[in-house]
Amino acid sequence: KAGVTQTPRYLIKTRGQQVTLSCSPISGHRSVSWYQQTPGQGLQFLFEYFSETQRNKGNFPGRFSGRQFSNSRSEMNVSTLELGDSALYLCASSLGGSLGNEQFFGPGTRLTVL
Amino acid sequence: LAKTTQPISMDSYEGQEVNITCSHNNIATNDYITWYQQFPSQGPRFIIQGYKTKVTNEVASLFIPADRKSSTLSLPRVSLSDTAVYYCLVGYRDDKIIFGKGTRLHILP
Repeated sequence: KAGVTQTPRYLIKTRGQQVTLSCSPISGHRSVSWYQQTPGQGLQFLFEYFSETQRNKGNFPGRFSGRQFSNSRSEMNVSTLELGDSALYLCASSLGGSLGNEQFFGPGTRLTVL
Repeated sequence: LAKTTQPISMDSYEGQEVNITCSHNNIATNDYITWYQQFPSQGPRFIIQGYKTKVTNEVASLFIPADRKSSTLSLPRVSLSDTAVYYCLVGYRDDKIIFGKGTRLHILP
């Protein structure tokens, strides 16, 4: 069974631009969660989608948004990029919701904002 | 605001048992505690999960005291390949998922 895939793996953008990241969950998994990882803050939860609906949301500004498609694939969008958005963005899928269920993480997308 | 706290780093030697404790306030009775392991340039990988007393699998044990304000991940007989960052993850009733800052475990030969 294929694991969680994320594209692209690396991305370089400049301040003010926007970016879209993609995540394909493990087949059959309906939940996709997104996390931001930085050296200073560690792993921070962004949001979770389950069956195309946002179920949970972390404490990030509205510039961070996401969506999930009927095939469970998910995209995350960051608008008006700031230098502080440079991070590793991880997505994770699970059969049920992210709370109380094992999450399977992808390799991440490394975003650099110049 | 709910918060989890772990030691920033730990050192141990091959063959030793390693215990990493995570403190978590405001956890509710049915909220799960999950531990993940992360190697450089990889996403975290599930180790173990529980919500009370003790849970054991083939790689680790998880001890949760009655008050549930902390939990301890126990890794028996560690090897060099166990050098990684370990995260404590707790789900809360307000659905905010909180990762700890992670514990950087360094295993020495």
